[in-house]
Amino acid sequence: QVQLVESGGGVVQPGRSLRLSCTASGFNFSSFGMHWVRQAPGKGLEWVAVINFDGNDKYYTDSVKGRFTTSRDNSKSTLFLEMKSLRVEDTALYYCAKEPWMIPLGFYYYMDVWGKGTPVTVSS
Amino acid sequence: DIQMTQSPSSLSASVGDRVTITCRASQNIDTYLNWYQQKPGKAPKLLIYAASKVQSGVPSRFSGRGSGTDFTLTINTLQPEDFAIYFCQHSHSVPLTFGGGTKVDMK
Repeated sequence: QVQLVESGGGVVQPGRSLRLSCTASGFNFSSFGMHWVRQAPGKGLEWVAVINFDGNDKYYTDSVKGRFTTSRDNSKSTLFLEMKSLRVEDTALYYCAKEPWMIPLGFYYYMDVWGKGTPVTVSS
Repeated sequence: DIQMTQSPSSLSASVGDRVTITCRASQNIDTYLNWYQQKPGKAPKLLIYAASKVQSGVPSRFSGRGSGTDFTLTINTLQPEDFAIYFCQHSHSVPLTFGGGTKVDMK
């Protein structure tokens, strides 16, 4: 059974850093692109970042460029989101989600399986 | 960036009703459009991809149509478990964006 489990969320002061993890199981993690999507309390969904199967291709939404970095360790079936210079507006539930198909180049840019999310609160 | 506009933002319906939700893209996205369902406290669930393809395991009462800029999600014969929030999302290019959501609640 395909499963994604996020961890690493918490309460952090503005300007500080946090590292989220997403551990995958039930599928060949090293063959799939992965996304981060966030949802502020009571709000809609916001795409954050995507990384391809081998970690060599990444894209970010403008509001996190230069502050957030996504990476992956395929040997451990784990996805990461390193978040620096956190802002109050980064407060959200952070989901990891997988691309639907294996693809050698590019992305399908949608998500067929999601984790349950890990909460991040940025507050002084 | 491509903006996605959903309407209505909320609607009230009864079990057995037919419900249609609209999503409009700010530019032509061909059929690069996906629909998700989200229930309270749960992660989103993929319902429809590529505008009209039903994800495996999703009941056949869910259907999607459209291309270019205008898309619809239809739920035929609404069931109690269908009361939820529905989001569209374009997969044309980055940055990916979602519609604001449509809450379907019980009349």
